[in-house]
Amino acid sequence: DAGVIQSPRHEVTEMGQEVTLRCKPISGHNSLFWYRQTMMRGLELLIYFNNNVPIDDSGMPEDRFSAKMPNASFSTLKIQPSEPRDSAVYFCASSLIWITDTQYFGPGTRLTVL
Amino acid sequence: DQQVKQNSPSLSVQEGRISILNCDYTNSMFDYFLWYKKYPAEGPTFLISISSIKDKNEDGRFTVFLNKSAKHLSLHIVPSQPGDSAVYFCAAVRTSGTYKYIFGTGTRLKVLA
Repeated sequence: DAGVIQSPRHEVTEMGQEVTLRCKPISGHNSLFWYRQTMMRGLELLIYFNNNVPIDDSGMPEDRFSAKMPNASFSTLKIQPSEPRDSAVYFCASSLIWITDTQYFGPGTRLTVL
Repeated sequence: DQQVKQNSPSLSVQEGRISILNCDYTNSMFDYFLWYKKYPAEGPTFLISISSIKDKNEDGRFTVFLNKSAKHLSLHIVPSQPGDSAVYFCAAVRTSGTYKYIFGTGTRLKVLA
């Protein structure tokens, strides 16, 4: 299995631009999570899906952030418009069924907003 | 409001000795805990977990201890190896009611050869 796949691995954009991060979870996994890692706040859970349905998006910092999971094999995290303070590493993770299952993380997308 | 804290940002240990990483939490509703290891430029990888109904779980060189009354958990690595050098995150999960999955800020472990 290829594991969780994220693209792009690096993204550099200018303030105000739209950014879309992509994630392909491990096949057969029913839960998907988006995280943001910064030096100041560590790993923060932004949103999670179970069976393609968003369960809790209380971690999404602002309305500029949105996430979708149109099917079991694909999810996007969109930032529109992007701001310099959004610069961070964004991780996607998937787990087999639910809460206490091990989460398998992708390699992350390093986002830099100039 | 940091609900899960790892108060030691870094730790250095000699190869072959024990590494002890600590984690404190504030919410007694957390009922499941995990440790993850992270190498640079990679995503975190699962290490070991423990349910709140237990106070110890062991897997090879790794043992997690949970002290519910103190709201404290620790990860012991014995013996430590240079390949264990990484950032270690604890995570606390609330599995009932409002779901929560919160990570600590991490401890960088360096095992010296």
